[in-house]
Amino acid sequence: EAGVVQSPRYKIIEKKQPVAFWCNPISGHNTLYWYRQNLGQGPELLIRYENEEAVDDSQLPKDRFSAERLKGVDSTLKIQPAELGDSAVYLCASSPRRGEQYFGPGTRLTVT
Amino acid sequence: GDSVTQMEGPVTLSEEAFLTINCTYTATGYPSLFWYVQYPGEGLQLLLKATKADDKGSNKGFEATYRKETTSFHLEKGSVQVSDSAVYFCALRNTGNQFYFGTGTSLTVIP
Repeated sequence: EAGVVQSPRYKIIEKKQPVAFWCNPISGHNTLYWYRQNLGQGPELLIRYENEEAVDDSQLPKDRFSAERLKGVDSTLKIQPAELGDSAVYLCASSPRRGEQYFGPGTRLTVT
Repeated sequence: GDSVTQMEGPVTLSEEAFLTINCTYTATGYPSLFWYVQYPGEGLQLLLKATKADDKGSNKGFEATYRKETTSFHLEKGSVQVSDSAVYFCALRNTGNQFYFGTGTSLTVIP
């Protein structure tokens, strides 16, 4: 079974530029999560989808972050414009309904 | 709100030493509890889980018991190996299907 796929693995951009991350969850997993992981910290939830619906986006900085999950499968997370403090690893995870999460390898973002 | 607190690292042990990483939680209701492991440059991998009080999760020689009376889920391994060097995260899933993670504990095992 293929795992959670994320791309790109690494991204370096200048501040004020836009950036997008893509996630393909495990087939059949209804729930998709985007997390941000700062250096030396645990993952912090940005947004959670149940199928196409964003059911928890309370921690998503909506002034600059946006996300979508078309057709309840793939998802993209966008930052526009990026700030220096956005440098982090962005993790995508998926799970079956009320099952454990499976994580992708993450995208390491560096904003200069 | 719900939260997870785990012991600060880093932890350095010699090969074959006994490992304990403490984890306590705060949650309403009856959460499920998890330990994840993260190797350098990789995403988190589920190590073990427990879904109700007194359950013991185990995998690859690691164990953790869900203790409701002490709200704890400590990770243990009797004899660590160099290959166990990684960062370990304790996490809970509450009844609202929300996950909360601890800050992680870095483990280095030296030969």
